[in-house]
Amino acid sequence: DTAVSQTPKYLVTQMGNDKSIKCEQNLGHDTMYWYKQDSKKFLKIMFSYNNKELIINETVPNRFSPKSPDKAHLNLHINSLELGDSAVYFCASSQDPSFIGEETQYFGPGTRLLVL
Amino acid sequence: SQQGEEDPQALSIQEGENATMNCSYKTSINNLQWYRQNSGRGLVHLILIRSNEREKHSGRLRVTLDTSKKSSSLLITASRAADTASYFCATADTGANSKLTFGKGITLSVRP
Repeated sequence: DTAVSQTPKYLVTQMGNDKSIKCEQNLGHDTMYWYKQDSKKFLKIMFSYNNKELIINETVPNRFSPKSPDKAHLNLHINSLELGDSAVYFCASSQDPSFIGEETQYFGPGTRLLVL
Repeated sequence: SQQGEEDPQALSIQEGENATMNCSYKTSINNLQWYRQNSGRGLVHLILIRSNEREKHSGRLRVTLDTSKKSSSLLITASRAADTASYFCATADTGANSKLTFGKGITLSVRP
């Protein structure tokens, strides 16, 4: 009965490769997010989608492309991986943060990406 | 850009003691939230306080918000070893596409 799930949990890959991370939520939420947490634990939002539409795109290189096939899924594809992409990537979801009482975000367990 | 700044960066206390963590931010907010992250895990929402609220309680947690000083504090009373984790404050700004901006986190160690 996992609320927000991500796959894979660990991803080790070579520089230059293309990889995808998948995220699914079974909470019926309308909004999903991708965050990047660096080695110093600094957590920064990358993207957010509301009902499959891109809402937030924070100055992320266009090597990163989110895709939302439906409102329960938000996948992250990364092209031409670089060493600096090594981090933990978290998916999260919330109902609709613009409405009072629906701002809480629920996080997945994270995907630990290591680029060699 | 980074919004919340927590302090201290690390805190070590004995089980049973209270832990106080502070967060400062820079812009106008709709609400401020505290999250906990256990080692190797995702973040878990603890408590949310709105900009028109000054104090909120949830179990052993007490959060205060001072919008004039743009600061918040999280108090964990009667700490337990299981409270050992990183704690993050996150602010939701007043923009149309309100997003959460996280601080760098505070590492709390509770010694048994």
